[in-house]
Amino acid sequence: AQSVAQPEDQVNVAEGNPLTVKCTYSVSGNPYLFWYVQYPNRGLQFLLKYITGDNLVKGSYGFEAEFNKSQTSFHLKKPSALVSDSALYFCAVRDDASSSNTGKLIFGQGTTLQVKP
Amino acid sequence: DGGITQSPKYLFRKEGQNVTLSCEQNLNHDAMYWYRQDPGQGLRLIYYSQIVNDFQKGDIAEGYSVSREKKESFPLTVTSAQKNPTAFYLCASTMRWGTEAFFGQGTRLTVV
Repeated sequence: AQSVAQPEDQVNVAEGNPLTVKCTYSVSGNPYLFWYVQYPNRGLQFLLKYITGDNLVKGSYGFEAEFNKSQTSFHLKKPSALVSDSALYFCAVRDDASSSNTGKLIFGQGTTLQVKP
Repeated sequence: DGGITQSPKYLFRKEGQNVTLSCEQNLNHDAMYWYRQDPGQGLRLIYYSQIVNDFQKGDIAEGYSVSREKKESFPLTVTSAQKNPTAFYLCASTMRWGTEAFFGQGTRLTVV
């Protein structure tokens, strides 16, 4: 069965420091991996995705993520955090082995990022 | 501008009532989805539809119903059979063979 785990409920960093939000996954085929951000009482905004190719993926607002197949991880990173990055972050996976290819995403529980000035 | 519109933003339901949440997209996407979000539980899939006049149950379909009479519309009805409907509901769409999902701004449903 497909699954996604975000082991940290909350990550706290100081403004200007690098940040990492962790994500591990389990799928039967090749994974399609995504990161989304959610601000309070809003929908999810797409940040970046990994489908194939370079393991380091760059996305919106200076975020990047590294795909590690051996560790089945897709951690979200940013070299220098901003207070405005404070939000709820979701990792999601789609399994390309799904015969129906429905586009369904499996989401992690979410990680709250708190960036302090 | 292309996007997904959910309405209303806030909805209050009395015990025993059915309510319908609206979701409209002008992205020309084939597939549409409804998710439920509860604190600390991430997003859980309620129903999804890949084409008009066809839809499939997700992981938590009990107490919910949907229709897909038009490509751009995918309304969700929360029936009285849903015992704990208070939650944040998110609608999303994808191109049929595409990748990332686009989300609406959500509807917060509260039982009063």
